[in-house]
Amino acid sequence: DAGVTQSPTHLIKTRGQQVTLRCSPKSGHDTVCWYQQALGQGPQFIFQYYEEEERQRGNFPDRFSGHQFPNYSSELNVNALLLGDSALYLCASSRRTSGIQIHEQFFGPGTRLTVL
Amino acid sequence: AQSVTQPDIHITVSEGASLELRCNYSYGATPYLFWYVQSPGQGLQLLLKYFSGDTLVQGIKGFEAEFKRSQSSFNLRKPSVHWSDAAEYFCAVGARNNAGNMLTFGGGTRLMVKP
Repeated sequence: DAGVTQSPTHLIKTRGQQVTLRCSPKSGHDTVCWYQQALGQGPQFIFQYYEEEERQRGNFPDRFSGHQFPNYSSELNVNALLLGDSALYLCASSRRTSGIQIHEQFFGPGTRLTVL
Repeated sequence: AQSVTQPDIHITVSEGASLELRCNYSYGATPYLFWYVQSPGQGLQLLLKYFSGDTLVQGIKGFEAEFKRSQSSFNLRKPSVHWSDAAEYFCAVGARNNAGNMLTFGGGTRLMVKP
């Protein structure tokens, strides 16, 4: 049973560039959340996708956007990168059953983004 | 808005000693409660969760946690720590609604284990 996978593992970008991170949820899961974890801090919620729509959003600017595909995989896009965007980006998946959200989330290994 | 406080940034214990990591939360009602562990450069692994029922919950790797409503706490315990338990531990809360399953995390506690 494949867990949550993320790609790439590491990424280096320069200020002003754009980046796309990818996530495949755990088998049987249909909901994806993205989190940003700055060095030495706890993860912060960016947004959640379900049925290809953004359902919930944290306190992040519009430079952060996402997408969910019919196969439930997801992308996180960040435009106009800032030095402060350097972080570990974590994807977590979960599932809904009969319309009820199951709150247990499974995390991927993350993508380490460095902005120079 | 919900929030989580982990008062101890670093904790060092000797191998074989007992462990307690503190977690306090702020939320209008009883939230869903979680403890995750993160090894260096890795993602998060769920140790245990509290949704309802028995306030003492058992998790993986010999960990347990106790939900105390009166203290808004969900402290993590282990009776005998192993060197492999050295990692970062995060407490998290989730809202009891169907709008989404956003988790709010504490700042984490880094556990070091002395031989």
